[in-house]
Amino acid sequence: AQSVAQPEDQVNVAEGNPLTVKCTYSVSGNPYLFWYVQYPNRGLQFLLKYITGDNLVKGSYGFEAEFNKSQTSFHLKKPSALVSDSALYFCAVRDRNNAGNMLTFGGGTRLMVKP
Amino acid sequence: EAQVTQNPRYLITVTGKKLTVTCSQNMNHEYMSWYRQDPGLGLRQIYYSMNVEVTDKGDVPEGYKVSRKEKRNFPLILESPSPNQTSLYFCASSLGGIQYFGAGTRLSVL
Repeated sequence: AQSVAQPEDQVNVAEGNPLTVKCTYSVSGNPYLFWYVQYPNRGLQFLLKYITGDNLVKGSYGFEAEFNKSQTSFHLKKPSALVSDSALYFCAVRDRNNAGNMLTFGGGTRLMVKP
Repeated sequence: EAQVTQNPRYLITVTGKKLTVTCSQNMNHEYMSWYRQDPGLGLRQIYYSMNVEVTDKGDVPEGYKVSRKEKRNFPLILESPSPNQTSLYFCASSLGGIQYFGAGTRLSVL
């Protein structure tokens, strides 16, 4: 079985400060890892993914995430937060050996960026 | 424009009245899936389809049906809706592991 934990329901950060949204995962094999963002009244949008290779992955809107195999983590980061980054963020994992392509999502973390 | 289209966006119904939520994608993706989103639970997969006429259960399939007669369409059917199916539903298609989501259907079952 595969699972994802996002330990913070909400993260508050001031505009211009760095932000981190935490994610840890559990899979039996090697993981594919994803971050998605959801703005109000919208579907989820893909931000970035880790498949293989460099542990630091860069994605859309200046976001990046670091894959840490020993800590089974894939935290989302951004050096300087914008008010427009305020949204709901989801981490997701898929076992590479999962032929069904099933993606398991975390419970989501609401990011609030204050001016 | 590449997109996944769901209809309706909002639906209020009563217990036991059959309903269908349609989903269509114009990206020629083989893989499609349905999720429900509930507060604190994230998204949970209901059903997925790897190709035409191939469907399989996700994490929470009870009370739902799907069909995949054409590549572009993947309707979600609730034969006898119950209040615990009140939720926000998303359809998605996938290519290269990346999922492309529709705008969502907010369903209330009274």
